[in-house]
Amino acid sequence: RKEVEQDPGPFNVPEGATVAFNCTYSNSASQSFFWYRQDCRKEPKLLMSVYSSGNEDGRFTAQLNRASQYISLLIRDSKLSDSATYLCVVEPSNDYKLSFGAGTTVTVRA
Amino acid sequence: DTEVTQTPKHLVMGMTNKKSLKCEQHMGHRAMYWYKQKAKKPPELMFVYSYEKLSINESVPSRFSPECPNSSLLNLHLHALQPEDSALYLCASSPRTLGLAGDASTDTQYFGPGTRLTVL
Repeated sequence: RKEVEQDPGPFNVPEGATVAFNCTYSNSASQSFFWYRQDCRKEPKLLMSVYSSGNEDGRFTAQLNRASQYISLLIRDSKLSDSATYLCVVEPSNDYKLSFGAGTTVTVRA
Repeated sequence: DTEVTQTPKHLVMGMTNKKSLKCEQHMGHRAMYWYKQKAKKPPELMFVYSYEKLSINESVPSRFSPECPNSSLLNLHLHALQPEDSALYLCASSPRTLGLAGDASTDTQYFGPGTRLTVL
């Protein structure tokens, strides 16, 4: 079983729509969780860290469900510029190593 | 400022060449990383330096040789590479400060723009 699993998508949504997707992780002792976005042929960029209580940054909302071992990302009022691959990233233990999901591709169309 | 810089942006090399990739950060981060990323795949960790000491080597072939001259710089020396080594090489850094368990802001990795390497 992979440490981090994501629905690869693609999610094709119209501008203004809401899109949400999850990722699951296998190590129940994981402490740190992140969403990164990666544009084609670019580096991953931190979108947001995910806190136990859930957190929101503008149109983006992240949730953590420790009991079911998943994190989610919701994007409201999608913009064309939100088109990207979203990487779910988990730090299974405090040892510098991150586990990356394979990424969820989101395409926002006009 | 969360900037990590990498040079060169693109590199084409033959299998007998020796080249180096460079990474720099001035955020005072004490951990630096090399990753390799193939198309449509997530980044794969290669090396981690913590406080200028190599702490993780993910069984990387010896044709890749990392070096951390000081806390701001990280190099990756390349020699006798194979065509399958062609990929995007990403450098990252993180503060690596001690914090409360579960505090995701304690250690967040910031990536440089990468060097796109082609081995002929």
